[in-house]
Amino acid sequence: QVQLQESGPGLVKPSQTLSLTCTVSDGPFYTGGSYWNWVRQYPGKGLEWIGYIDYSATTYYSRSLKSRVTISRDISKSQFSLKVTSVTAADTAVYYCARGVGEWPYPFDSWGQGTLVTVSS
Amino acid sequence: QSVLTQPPSASGTPGQRVTISCSGSSPNIGSNYVYWYQQVPTTAPKLLFYMNNQRPSGVPDRFSGSQSGTSASLAISGLRSEDEADYYCASWDDSLSGWVFGGGTKLTVL
Repeated sequence: QVQLQESGPGLVKPSQTLSLTCTVSDGPFYTGGSYWNWVRQYPGKGLEWIGYIDYSATTYYSRSLKSRVTISRDISKSQFSLKVTSVTAADTAVYYCARGVGEWPYPFDSWGQGTLVTVSS
Repeated sequence: QSVLTQPPSASGTPGQRVTISCSGSSPNIGSNYVYWYQQVPTTAPKLLFYMNNQRPSGVPDRFSGSQSGTSASLAISGLRSEDEADYYCASWDDSLSGWVFGGGTKLTVL
């Protein structure tokens, strides 16, 4: 079973850029049929999908976050990354990376453990 | 506020059958499949159902999923203490062009 692990700063100042990386192990990263997602969970439990990058480096973002989000990948390191610009307290959440597989819209069958990011000065 | 609507809580005693509802609208559940995730406290969500009622390997058949119109439901029969968790429904929304989730239902096994 593929393993995913998030990493990055746990504290980001308002107006700065949030940057996280997800390392994929014990499974194929650069293969067709896998879609590498970011999902966040607010302190009140709600889940929000952020976007994905696929095996061909095509990206697809949530319409509400599209202007502030970039997802990229580094095949040599089996990693994909998330950047969210101009963060505010509303971006405070646990951020998960997750693999989407199967038929469209590619549900998430493997998740990282999640990493809490707090936006505060 | 979540696009899909779930009751915030549900409960049952061991052995009982419990149902959790998920209400959506035409662009999401009315047009696309429903997915369910189980989240045990302090862990990541786990895929419980895909395509309305398909169980990934390892999910007990005590769990069942259904969809009708713009609503869906998750049923758990023979309730067990390890079923205590948060349950989320999800679907693709054609209007928003993205995944949408329910607010989650906290299931308590009394």
